[in-house]
Amino acid sequence: QKEVEQNSGPLSVPEGAIASLNCTYSDRVSQSFFWYRQYSGKSPELIMSIYSNGDKEDGRFTAQLNKASQYVSLLIRDSQPSDSATYLCAVNPDSFGNQFYFGTGTSLTVIP
Amino acid sequence: GAVVSQHPSRVICKSGTSVKIECRSLDFQATTMFWYRQFPKQSLMLMATSNEGSKATYEQGVEKDKFLINHASLTLSTLTVTSAHPEDSSFYICSALNRATEAFFGQGTRLTVV
Repeated sequence: QKEVEQNSGPLSVPEGAIASLNCTYSDRVSQSFFWYRQYSGKSPELIMSIYSNGDKEDGRFTAQLNKASQYVSLLIRDSQPSDSATYLCAVNPDSFGNQFYFGTGTSLTVIP
Repeated sequence: GAVVSQHPSRVICKSGTSVKIECRSLDFQATTMFWYRQFPKQSLMLMATSNEGSKATYEQGVEKDKFLINHASLTLSTLTVTSAHPEDSSFYICSALNRATEAFFGQGTRLTVV
């Protein structure tokens, strides 16, 4: 079983809509969760970190964490064509920080 | 966010030669750095975990004698691709963990072996 699973997509949403990206993880004691965005041909960039259950908002992005369900999601409000990219979910399972597991990514296309 | 600098961004080398890629955390200390390889339209593939002052931990199937990793300081890790061959052509990316266990990525190195 993979440590981190994401729907590979592709996910298409119209401009202005909400894009919802989902991720599940297998290690129940995981501590830290992250969302990265990767444009084609570029390296990933960190969008959001979340450590506690609930929602965390940053601009148009909201991360949601539910540790009981081992589920983390990313909502993008008012989606823009520039949001078209691959979104990677990542999990750090322990507080020592020397492990880091990525999902395979969800490809998002925002249609103008 | 924190800055990780990777150099060079692009390199073309002849088959049989070695290439060194540097990964530096510019404004934070990184006990742990990771090295990834990514082929076109595929996901990141972790090659090895590099811990400062100790030997790197390689993922299954990654040849440690071919991909030499040195993490000599808290701000620098290097990956040397030895005796490169065309099948080693890929996008190599490093990342470094800060104290909050967030991983920040370098810009990546596009290696072409001819």
